[in-house]
Amino acid sequence: GAGVSQSPSNKVTEKGKDVELRCDPISGHTALYWYRQSLGQGLEFLIYFQGNSAPDKSGLPSDRFSAERTGGSVSTLTIQRTQQEDSAVYLCASSNQLYSEAFFGQGTRLTVV
Amino acid sequence: QKEVEQDPGPLSVPEGAIVSLNCTYSNSAFQYFMWYRQYSRKGPELLMYTYSSGNKEDGRFTAQVDKSSKYISLFIRDSQPSDSATYLCAMSGGAGKSTFGDGTTLTVKP
Repeated sequence: GAGVSQSPSNKVTEKGKDVELRCDPISGHTALYWYRQSLGQGLEFLIYFQGNSAPDKSGLPSDRFSAERTGGSVSTLTIQRTQQEDSAVYLCASSNQLYSEAFFGQGTRLTVV
Repeated sequence: QKEVEQDPGPLSVPEGAIVSLNCTYSNSAFQYFMWYRQYSRKGPELLMYTYSSGNKEDGRFTAQVDKSSKYISLFIRDSQPSDSATYLCAMSGGAGKSTFGDGTTLTVKP
């Protein structure tokens, strides 16, 4: 596609429910990142995929968070047993090599009620 | 203490003013320095990308990196109302992930 696509744009869920957020990176980009942005805050790194290498999961805040990337393309971020503090904008980005520009999607705004 | 500290703002300037946005950092391993612009309810878009120390200019935007002082700046000349946005500095050691500042919200008044 023309850019990084994320879905859904908005998600409201009840506390305790599981949610899945999807990211479709720019075709051919080997690197994919997930970040979280809370209101008025900068971006918090969550997880990074680079090609076929093991992902860097060092930013995942708890074991309720997991992510996978299938076929080196689409990625899904899963949050189990959501809590109110999980409410944030979840941003996905991709890049075509290790040090180049990262292109961000529009984000998924998650609200846990 | 955070690895990256960004002047919090908010900043409000008249159209045509020169704007200076600044970040400091503590991690000596950072070698790649970036500035992103984020409009409300949009994803960040890369403005400037600099490797190591020095200046880089792109139109009305100039990025400066001083690794000895662990200080980076973004200057915007002849600021326009369309420059009103949140500006985020970001830094990387080259391993892929970047560490971001909390952002400075800029308003340019016509």
